[in-house]
Amino acid sequence: TQLLEQSPQFLSIQEGENLTVYCNSSSVFSSLQWYRQEPGEGPVLLVTVVTGGEVKKLKRLTFQFGDARKDSSLHITAAQPGDTGLYLCAVANAGGTSYGKLTFGQGTILTVHP
Amino acid sequence: NAGVTQTPKFQVLKTGQSMTLQCAQDMNHEYMSWYRQDPGMGLRLIHYSVGAGITDQGEVPNGYNVSRSTTEDFPLRLLSAAPSQTSVYFCASGQGAGELFFGEGSRLTVL
Repeated sequence: TQLLEQSPQFLSIQEGENLTVYCNSSSVFSSLQWYRQEPGEGPVLLVTVVTGGEVKKLKRLTFQFGDARKDSSLHITAAQPGDTGLYLCAVANAGGTSYGKLTFGQGTILTVHP
Repeated sequence: NAGVTQTPKFQVLKTGQSMTLQCAQDMNHEYMSWYRQDPGMGLRLIHYSVGAGITDQGEVPNGYNVSRSTTEDFPLRLLSAAPSQTSVYFCASGQGAGELFFGEGSRLTVL
């Protein structure tokens, strides 16, 4: 069983639509991260959420950490083709310090059509 | 402004061959790690290091060796390549609470 379950695995939408990606677990985490990966490149950190119930915004992207710190969501408003990519959630295994050890969800492949 | 540099970007091996994937970072980060990425499985940790001279196993270490003689370099060695090691490999470095900086990846095919 995966520590982190992401859904949906694939998402294909039209430009201008809204979408939400979920990252769920039965474990409690001190923090959770979202990364975005474009084809042929490595993942790039979008945000780290730390406090239960925390909401962070990055332009049209809204990230929320669940109250119980077991799950998180990523909401994109008015998606654009430039949002196309693989979205990954990740958690550190050892308290708040990763020591380079992150566990990743399976990822959500988002395609935004013009 | 190099960040994390991986070489080679592409490699084809025959079963049983050995090779080393190179990784170098210029950000003076303490932590370095190697992940492999396979379709539908996200990234899985192979080995990691918390500093020069210190390494440890991750989730999928079998068939791979690492060493960390300097802060900057963290090579990954495949001892006897198998088709199951066909994957995209990412090296990452970081310091502090969680953020990792990734290289562009090395795509390995084992025939």
